[in-house]
Order: sequence, then C-alpha cells, then structure tokens
Amino acid sequence: ETGVTQSPTHLIKTRGQQVTLRCSSQSGHNTVSWYQQALGQGPQFIFQYYREEENGRGNFPPRFSGLQFPNYSSELNVNALELDDSALYLCASSFGGASSYNEQFFGPGTRLTVL
Amino acid sequence: AQSVAQPEDQVNVAEGNPLTVKCTYSVSGNPYLFWYVQYPNRGLQFLLKYITGDNLVKGSYGFEAEFNKSQTSFHLKKPSALVSDSALYFCAVRDIGTNDYKLSFGAGTTVTVRA
Repeated sequence: ETGVTQSPTHLIKTRGQQVTLRCSSQSGHNTVSWYQQALGQGPQFIFQYYREEENGRGNFPPRFSGLQFPNYSSELNVNALELDDSALYLCASSFGGASSYNEQFFGPGTRLTVL
Repeated sequence: AQSVAQPEDQVNVAEGNPLTVKCTYSVSGNPYLFWYVQYPNRGLQFLLKYITGDNLVKGSYGFEAEFNKSQTSFHLKKPSALVSDSALYFCAVRDIGTNDYKLSFGAGTTVTVRA
C-alpha cells in the first residue's frame, strides 16, 4: 500500500510569485484535504476535494485554489504569494468524501518559504 | 464554530511513568475526535479516533483516549511512556452536526520523555 506523497519537499519563492504543490493520495482513497501549518501552530484547513470538486473550504482567500484529478491526485495553487504564506503545506487523503468519519492520512508536507 | 484547545504547550515525563496529554473541544453538534502525532520534519500520523460507542478508545503504540461528553474532553493517555514517544501531539475535532466538513486542530502539545 502506497502512502500519501507530496512534491516538492522544499520550495523557495519570492513575493508575488505563483506556486503549485502536488499530492498523490493513498491507494484506494478518493478524498483529498489540504492544510497550512505555520511554525509552532496546528494545521489549518484550506479546502477539501471529493470527486474532483471542492466541497469544503476554510478561511483562506481565493488566491488559494486547487484541483483534483480523476486518479484522485491533487494540486494546491497559490497566486500572488505573500510573506505570511511561508509554512508547511500538508496534504491528507481519506476514503468516503465529506460526510465520512474515516481518518485522514497525511503526507510529509511541502515546506514553502516566501522571501 | 468548532474548536480545540490543548491547554499545555509542553508535557515532560520520565520513561515508564504515565503520560497524559489534555484536549478539550467545542462543537455545536456531536464530535468526531482524533489524535495525531508529528515527528520532526514529518507529516502527521494517526493514533486513534472517537466516533461513537465506548468512551475509552484504544489506538496505536499503546495509546488510548477517553471521551467525556460532560466535560467536552478527549485526553490522550499512555500507561507507561517511552523515550520514543517524544513528539508533537495534536488533537482534532470535526462537528458532525453541521455541513462544515473541515477538521480543526489544536495548537499541539510537545511531549518530552526523559530516560
């Protein structure tokens, strides 16, 4: 069974640039959630994708957007990067969609630094 | 709105002693509750969850947690701590009484187990 993988591991960008982070969900999982974890804080929910549609969103501006593909992999796109976007971005996969109580399995994260 | 509080930033125990990590939650409906552990430069690993039923939940690596509805608490426990349990622990809640599908995390508790 393959776990959740994310790429790249680390990324350095400058203010105003755009970034795309990628996630491959665990085998058999059809739901992907993205989280932002700032230093010293717990993960903050960005959004969730199920059946290629966004079905839940946290308090993040529209410049945070995403996609889910037919193979359930996912992308997180952030436009017009700001210094406060520097964080560890975590992808989590699960099975069953938004109403499921199944636990989420997390990838190792992408560390984004905005200079 | 749903939220989680982990009142202790740090917990220090000696190896072989009992370990408790505290968590309280707030939801408008009924909660799904989860515990995750994070090791340095790693993603979150699932430990256990409470959905319904028995208030005492047993999970991975000898951890257990007790759901207390009247006190809105879900404390994590381990009868005999190991040095390898030293890590960052997160409690998370999902409110199943709403259509808000997000998982809300606490700020985390750093556990240090000394030999």
